[in-house]
Order: sequence, then structure tokens, then C-alpha cells
Amino acid sequence: DTGVSQDPRHKITKRGQNVTFRCDPISEHNRLYWYRQTLGQGPEFLTYFQNEAQLEKSRLLSDRFSAERPKGSFSTLEIQRTEQGDSAMYLCASSLPMTGEGEQYFGPGTRLTVT
Amino acid sequence: ILNVEQSPQSLHVQEGDSTNFTCSFPSSNFYALHWYRWETAKSPEALFVMTLNGDEKKKGRISATLNTKEGYSYLYIKGSQPEDSATYLCALRSYNNNDMRFGAGTRLTVKP
Repeated sequence: DTGVSQDPRHKITKRGQNVTFRCDPISEHNRLYWYRQTLGQGPEFLTYFQNEAQLEKSRLLSDRFSAERPKGSFSTLEIQRTEQGDSAMYLCASSLPMTGEGEQYFGPGTRLTVT
Repeated sequence: ILNVEQSPQSLHVQEGDSTNFTCSFPSSNFYALHWYRWETAKSPEALFVMTLNGDEKKKGRISATLNTKEGYSYLYIKGSQPEDSATYLCALRSYNNNDMRFGAGTRLTVKP
């Protein structure tokens, strides 16, 4: 399978715990994006990387959230001191430089439940 | 920042019916409009990208149009099949090409 993969697919954690998610993009894609989707809403942009550089962060990305892409390949998204409001689907996408009719290709997501 | 509205929120049709739903936006100040299909437990799948007013795209039984002057895009499905059941998402890509603003989606259920 050469698509975008995410791990784990589901995570249940207790409030206050830290969690980390991983995204493996399509290998030749230098851009990687994180989105969050809550019930009844569309995906909301969190942050994006070009190679290993994090170039943009949404205001949704509070200081409890940190994302890395250390070698310009896979990325991790860590949430510290989780809160119930963090419960959501976390989607990762990757792309080549987005010009013209370029597309972002999505992974299946990690569903986080904070109890 | 553009708000993307999709309607209806959900739709139930019988197999064989044709259907359409709408993505509307208040301004044409975006680079491209994307349609995605998202089946439960799978990855969102890209359907169409449209950049120009009047664009029309077609893939099998599914087609889409873009009218930036009046602020909407339509997605049409001809002869719906149960496998078309999914959430259909519309998204606007900004001019910096870095992020996309999604609507809440239209959830389509096709009954056999």
C-alpha cells in the first residue's frame, strides 16, 4: 500500500495523559498536513510541513499540541495533558507542492477519545 | 477567512435515484475548490479539483460544476448505488496553497 498511513487508528486515553500519533506520508511527497475533525464538522487545518520545516500553524494548535517531522519523512503529533475537548478524528495528508490542480492525499485518521 | 457551507447535511435516496448537493461560499477569493468522498473507516478520497468559473468535471456517474460568480459548486450523482454511500466534503484551497477550508459535508445514504 503506497498511500498515507496513520497509527494508531484508535486511541482511548484518560484526561491528563499525553498521546502521540504518527503519520507516514506518500514517499515522494514533501508536504505534510495535520487536520482535526470533530463531530458534525469538516476537517480543520492544524499545521503543515514542507520537508522538515513546520511552516504554518493554526490558532487551533494550542501550546499543548506539538508536531514534528524530524527527517522530512514521517511526522508525529503529540498532545500533552489531554482534555475531553481534544476528542476528535486527527487526519494527516500529504502532497507534492500544491499548484494548479494538485491534490492532498489523506490517511484514514486516528480517532482519539479522551475519557 | 471563507466559510464553506454544504447542503443538505444528510440525504437518503433509493438505489437508481439521481441526486445533487451544494457547496456554497461567500467569496471567490480562493485558488481551487476540491470535492472529496469519505467512506466510513476509510481515507477521504479526492474526487475533483476545480479552479475556474464554469469548470465542469466528470468521473463515471459523478460530476461537478463550479460557479464562482454566484458562489456555489454542485456535485451530481447519476443513478445512485449503495456503494456511493459516504460523506461528500467540499473544501476551498487558499491562494498560499498551504491549507484547505472544509465544509461540514453532506452524508449520503443510498438504500438498495
